Amino acid sequence: SQKIEQNSEALNIQEGKTATLTCNYTNYSPAYLQWYRQDPGRGPVFLLLIRENEKEKRKERLKVTFDTTLKQSLFHITASQPADSATYLCALDGEDSSYKLIFGSGTRLLVRP
Amino acid sequence: GAGVSQSPSNKVTEKGKDVELRCDPISGHTALYWYRQSLGQGLEFLIYFQGNSAPDKSGLPSDRFSAERTGGSVSTLTIQRTQQEDSAVYLCASSLGRGGGKNIQYFGAGTRLSVL
Repeated sequence: SQKIEQNSEALNIQEGKTATLTCNYTNYSPAYLQWYRQDPGRGPVFLLLIRENEKEKRKERLKVTFDTTLKQSLFHITASQPADSATYLCALDGEDSSYKLIFGSGTRLLVRP
Repeated sequence: GAGVSQSPSNKVTEKGKDVELRCDPISGHTALYWYRQSLGQGLEFLIYFQGNSAPDKSGLPSDRFSAERTGGSVSTLTIQRTQQEDSAVYLCASSLGRGGGKNIQYFGAGTRLSVL
């Protein structure tokens, strides 16, 4: 069955640095991949969507790459700020084409001032 | 317009009782999802409604769990005979529909269920 892996260990970086989060998947070829942000006590909030035929997508300080050969997506936050501290989830469309999303367990990002 | 609304925000119940959790999706969104999130864990898919199609119930963990969506809008998730392992945050999301960018999901703040 399909698996999505995100680093379960928190990523701890200094303000101003670039944060890079990884999403790996196996046993599937998703048509698109999404990234969400989740703050404590709140539901996830959509950030970016990237399609299988797109290698890179940018939005302000955010950049997402999608390598279908490596079966990996990288999520970058440049010039990180303490306000970027949150859990970041990647999500893939389900293999049965029902368009439900399969979420990774998320990686917690901590940006130190 | 308003986002996805869930109620109650917190629910404390005794083991064995039934609970109902409510979700009001964004107006015009044809797809509605329920997820469960245990402390420090990812989202566990429970059930998916798309328009008038039969719901995808493949994620419901047991027959104690059921959900319905009335009139293509409001949804209720019911847990019968609650158990302590049901304690979690139950999240609802809605989206415009199927395919590509239409499947971007908008989440409510969740209902935190505690079963004593």
